[in-house]
Amino acid sequence: AQKITQTQPGMFVQEKEAVTLDCTYDTSDQSYGLFWYKQPSSGEMIFLIYQGSYDEQNATEGRYSLNFQKARKSANLVISASQLGDSAMYFCAMRERENFNKFYFGSGTKLNVKP
Amino acid sequence: DSGVTQTPKHLITATGQRVTLRCSPRSGDLSVYWYQQSLDQGLQFLIQYYNGEERAKGNILERFSAQQFPDLHSELNLSSLELGDSALYFCASSPRQSSYNEQFFGPGTRLTVL
Repeated sequence: AQKITQTQPGMFVQEKEAVTLDCTYDTSDQSYGLFWYKQPSSGEMIFLIYQGSYDEQNATEGRYSLNFQKARKSANLVISASQLGDSAMYFCAMRERENFNKFYFGSGTKLNVKP
Repeated sequence: DSGVTQTPKHLITATGQRVTLRCSPRSGDLSVYWYQQSLDQGLQFLIQYYNGEERAKGNILERFSAQQFPDLHSELNLSSLELGDSALYFCASSPRQSSYNEQFFGPGTRLTVL
């Protein structure tokens, strides 16, 4: 089974609107971390936000927030007030405590922000 | 700037050749990871080192090898190159081995095999 599933290959959003990028994960570990990365067209991978499995509050970093629903095993990224510079690929990733040597990445979602 | 450096930034070579990609982790980070990202593909985990020792292997071909040196920099060696090896190769580092530590990625090396 896939460890990380991102079901939206591509998304469009109007500038200044909010957008949610979906991510579901599969693990039997009780302790794990969830991460989102952004990859602009220039190619670099930029860390955006982190959520620990034991964190009770949803993580927030500026315009990024993570909608963590543990029972559903989902960790959706919410970008508020989209900007043209948000156009990029977004990857969801997970690291488990039992096998912390591996990061599992989803296939990514390509976000296009329209002016 | 993540603090992870990779050289070279671009590499163009021919089939059958051998190349070495170099990575210097962030200061203090002991873990180094290598990933391959082919065109329009996600990241494929190749291999991970922690403080000089190999700790995890992913989808790494036998033609590929890596090592981490005492100064913690790492090299990924790709030999008998094929056209399909053309990809963006990322190195990432992480301070410790814990599920709570994110990885910081280098800028990548874009390999083109002609």
